[in-house]
Amino acid sequence: QVQLKQSGPGLVQPSQSLSITCTVSGFSLTSYGVHWVRQSPGKGLEWLGVIWRGGSTDYNAAFMSRLSITKDNSKSQVFFKMNSLQADDTAIYYCAKNGYDYWGQGTTLTVSS
Amino acid sequence: DIVLTQSPATLSVTPGDSVSLSCRASQSISNNLHWYQQKSHESPRLLIKYASQSISGIPSRFSGSGSGTDFTLSINSVETEDFGMYFCQQSNSWPHTFGGGTKLEIK
Repeated sequence: QVQLKQSGPGLVQPSQSLSITCTVSGFSLTSYGVHWVRQSPGKGLEWLGVIWRGGSTDYNAAFMSRLSITKDNSKSQVFFKMNSLQADDTAIYYCAKNGYDYWGQGTTLTVSS
Repeated sequence: DIVLTQSPATLSVTPGDSVSLSCRASQSISNNLHWYQQKSHESPRLLIKYASQSISGIPSRFSGSGSGTDFTLSINSVETEDFGMYFCQQSNSWPHTFGGGTKLEIK
């Protein structure tokens, strides 16, 4: 069955970066893209970006300068990296299969010193 | 960016009631509107895609309608497992945006 499993740190200091790995199973990254979405009490659900099956990316303009999404098809892994984190980046970060029919379990991030 | 406004913010209902949740877009998005349910500490679950298309495994009491700027999620005879948050999302243009949500709670 389709699964997306996320791994990454829960606590990051201000100005540092966040790296999350989304490991997928039940589908191929050469057939489907993967989106990244975050959720916070203050800003709700925000779409961050997507990596398409061919490897191209689209980013939310609000995050484009500090966001990078890459992947390794052979390992079925998608890599999310956001730089220059601040307190208002505190949120739950999700990966989701294109079509949003399957989501990862979420990575709860706190940005604090 | 397209703004999605959901109403009401909170809906208090009794199991067995039928309800309608609204999502209004700031500009026309055709039928590129999707509905999600989210329970506490869980990831969103896709309920309806493209305004009215059903999703495999989702109970038939959930249905969607609308196009353009006005959309509705209907739940026919609410069950206790249906309580939680409901969000709409548009995929008509980038960035994909979400509504602020409607909380469905037990009266």
